[in-house]
Amino acid sequence: ETGVTQSPTHLIKTRGQQVTLRCSSQSGHNTVSWYQQALGQGPQFIFQYYREEENGRGNFPPRFSGLQFPNYSSELNVNALELDDSALYLCASSLKGLAGDNEQFFGPGTRLTVL
Amino acid sequence: AQSVTQLDSHVSVSEGTPVLLRCNYSSSYSPSLFWYVQHPNKGLQLLLKYTSAATLVKGINGFEAEFKKSETSFHLTKPSAHMSDAAEYFCVVSEGSYDKVIFGPGTSLSVIP
Repeated sequence: ETGVTQSPTHLIKTRGQQVTLRCSSQSGHNTVSWYQQALGQGPQFIFQYYREEENGRGNFPPRFSGLQFPNYSSELNVNALELDDSALYLCASSLKGLAGDNEQFFGPGTRLTVL
Repeated sequence: AQSVTQLDSHVSVSEGTPVLLRCNYSSSYSPSLFWYVQHPNKGLQLLLKYTSAATLVKGINGFEAEFKKSETSFHLTKPSAHMSDAAEYFCVVSEGSYDKVIFGPGTSLSVIP
């Protein structure tokens, strides 16, 4: 059983650019959630994908978008990057069953720096 | 609305002494509650979870937490701290579905030899 993997591990972009982050979910999991963790803060929920559909969204603007593929891997896309987008982006996978009772398994994260 | 308060941003203990990390939550429904640990440059790891079963929850590495509905608390404890426990700890509340997962701001635990 492989764990959650994310790529790349580090990324540097400039303001206004676009970025795509990738996540491979744990084997057997059908749900992927994305979080943004600014330095010194707790992770904030961006959105969740279940069976290729967005299943919920946090307080993030539309320039944050995502995809989930048939193999349940996922992408997070951020357009028109701003300096405040600099953060650790975490992906978590889970097996959706009883709501609220499914452990999320986190990847190591992608560190995005916007200059 | 859900919210999570971690009462201490930083806790420092001596090796071998007890650990107490405090968490209070606000939730409109019967929540699920979790504690996660984050070591530097590593992913978040689940320590334990409460999902309306026993109110005293035992987790990995000797940690446990007690759900107290009357106090809306879910404090994390460990009888004896180890150097490897030094990390960031997050209390998390979830209502019903994971689109309503809220992380607390975190408590940084230092263990002094």
